[in-house]
Amino acid sequence: EAQVTQNPRYLITVTGKKLTVTCSQNMNHEYMSWYRQDPGLGLRQIYYSMNVEATDKGDVPEGYKVSRKEKRNFPLILESPSPNQTSLYFCASSTGALSLQFFGPGTRLTVL
Amino acid sequence: AQSVAQPEDQVNVAEGNPLTVKCTYSVSGNPYLFWYVQYPNRGLQFLLKYITGDNLVKGSYGFEAEFNKSQTSFHLKKPSALVSDSALYFCAVRDSQTDSWGKLQFGAGTQVVVTP
Repeated sequence: EAQVTQNPRYLITVTGKKLTVTCSQNMNHEYMSWYRQDPGLGLRQIYYSMNVEATDKGDVPEGYKVSRKEKRNFPLILESPSPNQTSLYFCASSTGALSLQFFGPGTRLTVL
Repeated sequence: AQSVAQPEDQVNVAEGNPLTVKCTYSVSGNPYLFWYVQYPNRGLQFLLKYITGDNLVKGSYGFEAEFNKSQTSFHLKKPSALVSDSALYFCAVRDSQTDSWGKLQFGAGTQVVVTP
């Protein structure tokens, strides 16, 4: 089944404790992206990747890192999480920047 | 710079009535426009997109959207709403004139409530 998977689905952590949210797609998509969803603000793009080893900032990249070492995986790294990063995070992938995106199920992160 | 606005936080409609969800945008070049839907406790799903061509775009689940360049709008429509259409709808835009080709801007979302 074609899908985008994210792990973990739920995470409660404390300020400053490094964490990684994994994202993997099995559709051989070149384009991948991370978003955060907050009430009243909609979806905001954090980082995107046009292909392997090609990543770029979205609208809200501060406090986040990404890497794209292989096509299927696009992990989101929070080196030192803070409470304002408490949010619902979505990973997405598509064949290209103008194509429809397939979204993962979301990761609900709480930073205390 | 690209931006998108969804002027209504919530739209209420009775089942069987027409549904319209508004979206306006601002871009430097040509817009590439998308609609996505988020059903309760589920991920986002693609509905339709406008890249070029016909101003009326047909999508999934009976939805369509009309691209209006002069009004910089891309409103989502459905002729007859169903209770199952109750969800959060997002409009998104990508600017053709940009150095950041992969950047996509989403609106704040419009909650649609369809009552029986």
